[in-house]
Amino acid sequence: GAVVSQHPSWVICKSGTSVKIECRSLDFQATTMFWYRQFPKQSLMLMATSNEGSKATYEQGVEKDKFLINHASLTLSTLTVTSAHPEDSSFYICSAQGGGSAGELFFGEGSRLTVL
Amino acid sequence: LAKTTQPISMDSYEGQEVNITCSHNNIATNDYITWYQQFPSQGPRFIIQGYKTKVTNEVASLFIPADRKSSTLSLPRVSLSDTAVYYCLLNSGGYQKVTFGTGTKLQVIP
Repeated sequence: GAVVSQHPSWVICKSGTSVKIECRSLDFQATTMFWYRQFPKQSLMLMATSNEGSKATYEQGVEKDKFLINHASLTLSTLTVTSAHPEDSSFYICSAQGGGSAGELFFGEGSRLTVL
Repeated sequence: LAKTTQPISMDSYEGQEVNITCSHNNIATNDYITWYQQFPSQGPRFIIQGYKTKVTNEVASLFIPADRKSSTLSLPRVSLSDTAVYYCLLNSGGYQKVTFGTGTKLQVIP
């Protein structure tokens, strides 16, 4: 099956710094990728839809200037958490949608961000 | 407003069959029903997908009634390693966004 890879798997950073998370579709082209955030013992919350070659679409309540998304190619989307604070500590997961009418989503392994 | 509703949690003994039901009263004509499994600190993993009637693969079966307002994931003879959160999603392709409901936390007991 299709594979989506995230990097890094985990990252620890100091408050105020920026962190970039990469999401790659390894064996298919992904025009659209999705970014989710998951807090402990909670479900995945959709943050934004990443569209190749255009601006991302953010969900209500998600600050676009804080969570910068770039989808510069058909196989790579990046999420940059700018000026990170402890409350941004979370598990970030990306997904890419395969082609076809069923629209199966393929998920990355997730990236654990801890902001000190 | 969540598009799907599932029980928050379920317990089962090893070796038993587990059925997890998901309600999706407002399912659209072009929506497919997809189930994912998630272990702690991992991304969700695809289990099975269907549109109507019954679908079976090597790990699970999916039952969808004619009105498609609900679906049931059936896991045969669960083991301890099946302890996870199971999510039922509706997706219609066409790069439409997909939102998650609460999921069902399945605890398999020895």
